[in-house]
Amino acid sequence: DAKTTQPNSMESNEEEPVHLPCNHSTISGTDYIHWYRQLPSQGPEYVIHGLTSNVNNRMASLAIAEDRKSSTLILHRATLRDAAVYYCILRDFGSGYALNFGKGTSLLVTP
Amino acid sequence: GAVVSQHPSRVICKSGTSVKIECRSLDFQATTMFWYRQFPKQSLMLMATSNEGSKATYEQGVEKDKFLINHASLTLSTLTVTSAHPEDSSFYICSARRQPNQETQYFGPGTRLLVL
Repeated sequence: DAKTTQPNSMESNEEEPVHLPCNHSTISGTDYIHWYRQLPSQGPEYVIHGLTSNVNNRMASLAIAEDRKSSTLILHRATLRDAAVYYCILRDFGSGYALNFGKGTSLLVTP
Repeated sequence: GAVVSQHPSRVICKSGTSVKIECRSLDFQATTMFWYRQFPKQSLMLMATSNEGSKATYEQGVEKDKFLINHASLTLSTLTVTSAHPEDSSFYICSARRQPNQETQYFGPGTRLLVL
């Protein structure tokens, strides 16, 4: 799987939007962009994924650059419960392989 | 959303004993499950891929005779840490996919193992 680069940590105020960046300059045409998050002492939780078009769900939005070399996870209104490590992961569609987690971005949300 | 459970949630054992961790998909059938390990302040590391009815595929550096994986049914995979040592103390997490090509993975809550 291609490599992703994320900032080690970010901080946000509660109820403000958060934009979590991810660079993946070596992405291939069949790589899906996945985002998972892990709250303290819990297993990871699926957030969102996409291929080329921007995606929205009840948790977040995923904005994918036109050249697909970067993407941004958008939390529209951060809450204290959104404090977690966010992982941006590339996975080749249909490869059957597990997810390879990088270090992720630790998001701190302050009241 | 789909639910994956793990049992036990935490376990303490003596060095040299074996510990079995169960991973269950509660509301779907999972032909493939994955086992990860996470040390403090580190990311998840894939240990093995568990396929129902066949032998597990282990990642490089993971001893298959030490970490026994059994995936006997479409809803249950087990990881047995044999002859556990203090360095095996870690957070063990499983995940499952509904179907082989589905993108979303569902993770269990994890099992914290402490070997004394």
